[in-house]
Amino acid sequence: AQRVTQPEKLLSVFKGAPVELKCNYSYSGSPELFWYVQYSRQRLQLLLRHISRESIKGFTADLNKGETSFHLKKPFAQEEDSAMYYCALKPLTSGSRLTFGEGTQLTVNP
Amino acid sequence: DADVTQTPRNRITKTGKRIMLECSQTKGHDRMYWYRQDPGLGLRLIYYSFDVKDINKGEISDGYSVSRQAQAKFSLSLESAIPNQTALYFCATSDLQGGSTGELFFGEGSRLTVL
Repeated sequence: AQRVTQPEKLLSVFKGAPVELKCNYSYSGSPELFWYVQYSRQRLQLLLRHISRESIKGFTADLNKGETSFHLKKPFAQEEDSAMYYCALKPLTSGSRLTFGEGTQLTVNP
Repeated sequence: DADVTQTPRNRITKTGKRIMLECSQTKGHDRMYWYRQDPGLGLRLIYYSFDVKDINKGEISDGYSVSRQAQAKFSLSLESAIPNQTALYFCATSDLQGGSTGELFFGEGSRLTVL
């Protein structure tokens, strides 16, 4: 069975500082990894997926199969980045069933 | 605008009562899901349905049942609510392509409190 772990439940940084939200996973096969974000009073929504290798709102995430990690990074955090972030995994062979991590609440202070 | 709508948004009930949470969508998606969100535990899958005739248990289905009344409607029932079912419940949808890419579209959530 697959598992996603986000070791930091709360993360607080100052505006302009770099931020890294950690995500580790366990899965024996080839996974797809995603980051979802939930801003205050908004719906949970997809932020980015590893397969697209994209940068969204300044965030990037690299899949490290050796370390089984998919950390989310942004070089200069902004106050509007404050939100709950969920890392999620989808096995390539099981359709669209996502497994989510516990979530990290990011607060960016002015 | 195509949307995923959950009702009720908030509900307080007592132990032993039957509760139904409803989800409807205008996205035209085939696949629908019910997740439960608890602080520190993230989102956990309760049930999912890939089409009207397909219902599958997720990782925490005990104590819950679902009904897929139509492509656009997917209801979650708690036959006899208990306090540890107090949580925020999310409905989500995806289309076949989204099923491959992993993008789910979520409703706004239904907060359930069982006293």
